[in-house]
Amino acid sequence: AQSVTQLGSHVSVSEGALVLLRCNYSSSVPPYLFWYVQYPNQGLQLLLKYTSAATLVKGINGFEAEFKKSETSFHLTKPSAHMSDAAEYFCAVSDEGDDKIIFGKGTRLHILP
Amino acid sequence: DTEVTQTPKHLVMGMTNKKSLKCEQHMGHRAMYWYKQKAKKPPELMFVYSYEKLSINESVPSRFSPECPNSSLLNLHLHALQPEDSALYLCASSQEIDRAQIYGYTFGSGTRLTVV
Repeated sequence: AQSVTQLGSHVSVSEGALVLLRCNYSSSVPPYLFWYVQYPNQGLQLLLKYTSAATLVKGINGFEAEFKKSETSFHLTKPSAHMSDAAEYFCAVSDEGDDKIIFGKGTRLHILP
Repeated sequence: DTEVTQTPKHLVMGMTNKKSLKCEQHMGHRAMYWYKQKAKKPPELMFVYSYEKLSINESVPSRFSPECPNSSLLNLHLHALQPEDSALYLCASSQEIDRAQIYGYTFGSGTRLTVV
């Protein structure tokens, strides 16, 4: 079964520093990959998605992610962190023709002043 | 309208109560989903409806009963719940099941359920 592994349940970065949240998927066939963000007491908001059109995917709020087949990775980055980026981030995966997505365990991003 | 609206936002119910959660979308999406999210955990899929028909039931206990009366509405009827059922219940929708990967899912803000 498809799965994603998010390295680090908590990540802390200083305001203005680079944000890097790691996600590795398990599949021999490139799947569909997503990053979602969840602010406290909110639902999930789609940040970006990989659907094989381009390996570098740009999303909302200045985030982007690069699909690397050789590393089975889909890490999320942002050049300069803002305080408002503090939230829970979920990587998710789905297979072609599948009708559900599987979420990783999530990474809590803390922004230090 | 690009939102999924869930009501109520908060619900406290006793173990003998019957209550319902409501989810509504007017984006023309034909697939709708219920997820359960415990604190500090990822969302877990409960049910999937496609064109108002139940497509997936992830072995959810019968005390949770979904209903999709029309293409815009999704309900989750609750009866005889246990305290461990306390969680954030999220509704989501997508254009169609087999397009969910391309367009993604739109989530509501959830209902925070506490069972006492």
